[in-house]
Amino acid sequence: GAGVSQSPSNKVTEKGKDVELRCDPISGHTALYWYRQRLGQGLEFLIYFQGNSAPDKSGLPSDRFSAERTGESVSTLTIQRTQQEDSAVYLCASFTGLGNTGELFFGEGSRLTVL
Amino acid sequence: GENVEQHPSTLSVQEGDSAVIKCTYSDSASNYFPWYKQELGKGPQLIIDIRSNVGEKKDQRIAVTLNKTAKHFSLHITETQPEDSAVYFCAASDNQAGTALIFGKGTTLSVSS
Repeated sequence: GAGVSQSPSNKVTEKGKDVELRCDPISGHTALYWYRQRLGQGLEFLIYFQGNSAPDKSGLPSDRFSAERTGESVSTLTIQRTQQEDSAVYLCASFTGLGNTGELFFGEGSRLTVL
Repeated sequence: GENVEQHPSTLSVQEGDSAVIKCTYSDSASNYFPWYKQELGKGPQLIIDIRSNVGEKKDQRIAVTLNKTAKHFSLHITETQPEDSAVYFCAASDNQAGTALIFGKGTTLSVSS
């Protein structure tokens, strides 16, 4: 597609429910990142994919968080048993994956509110 | 791991004034330093970046300076305009393929006309 697409754009859920957030990266971009942005805060790195594998999961805050990527394309971030502190905007970004680190292209984010 | 500190957290200027945002980083291996601009409800967008073999880079009204010895880099915006109002993030990485960018906490810039 023309840009990074994320869905849903907004999600309100009750504490304890599971949520899935989806990211469609730019076509052909092999690297994909998930970041979390709490209100008024910076971007907190969660996980990085190169192709379908995740060489760096160091940012996942707990075992309630998991992510997968299939077909070197779509990625899904799953949060199980959501807590109020999970409320944030979850941003996905993709990168060509070629050469050294370069421009990340971000989606507009999925805003998660846990009541 | 890398830690990036950014200040100020908020900055208000009059239209036409200059704005300066400063960042420090902790990992001496970092050698790629981009700046992103985030408008309300949008994802961050790259506005300028600098790599460690360059001390300064300029693109029209925007410039970035890098001091590797002191481990700090700065964003300079001259002749500010109301449309420059946004949140600005600095970031750093060691420039290895696919290494995650580590971001600062952001600076909210407000330009009043």
